[in-house]
Amino acid sequence: LAKTTQPISMDSYEGQEVNITCSHNNIATNDYITWYQQFPSQGPRFIIQGYKTKVTNEVASLFIPADRKSSTLSLPRVSLSDTAVYYCLVGDIGSGNTGKLIFGQGTTLQVKP
Amino acid sequence: DGGITQSPKYLFRKEGQNVTLSCEQNLNHDAMYWYRQDPGQGLRLIYYSQIVNDFQKGDIAEGYSVSREKKESFPLTVTSAQKNPTAFYLCASSTTRLSSYEQYFGPGTRLTVT
Repeated sequence: LAKTTQPISMDSYEGQEVNITCSHNNIATNDYITWYQQFPSQGPRFIIQGYKTKVTNEVASLFIPADRKSSTLSLPRVSLSDTAVYYCLVGDIGSGNTGKLIFGQGTTLQVKP
Repeated sequence: DGGITQSPKYLFRKEGQNVTLSCEQNLNHDAMYWYRQDPGQGLRLIYYSQIVNDFQKGDIAEGYSVSREKKESFPLTVTSAQKNPTAFYLCASSTTRLSSYEQYFGPGTRLTVT
């Protein structure tokens, strides 16, 4: 499973757009990029997953450049309730997938009023 | 409601005692996982199971044991051999179908051993 690097922490203000970038230089051809969100004392929650270009859902957007060595999670107009830890994970979800996930330290996002 | 339940939410034990953490899911998922989380750290995989009666060690299996006798249940036993058992324990489940990396997590059990 490819190693990922993301900032330890970020600050933002309510209403702003937040972009969290993750580096994954050793991403393999079959690897997908997945982001999870975790609130204190709760289990992580799946946010979004993508392979290339752009993916958007009701919560966030995921931008992946052509070389796929990085990805950016974009949270539009954050609110105080978006304060959480965000994890970037990279792995092969094709055949033989064991479902093993490697969670790094994640990025702690603090949204201020 | 479909989901994963873990009980209890808080658990206190004396050093030297084995303790079993419960994890039940009604999502009809084949795969189940146990993670450990220490303060300020990410999750680390303890054990996982992709099918009933089969399970594999994760990255930090020493001092832990599991069983998977039913699809819905994946209990974790923290044995006295685990040197530092105090942590937040998370159970998760997922389908094993292709093109899915979404794991559903339970609310967690916070274990304190003194």
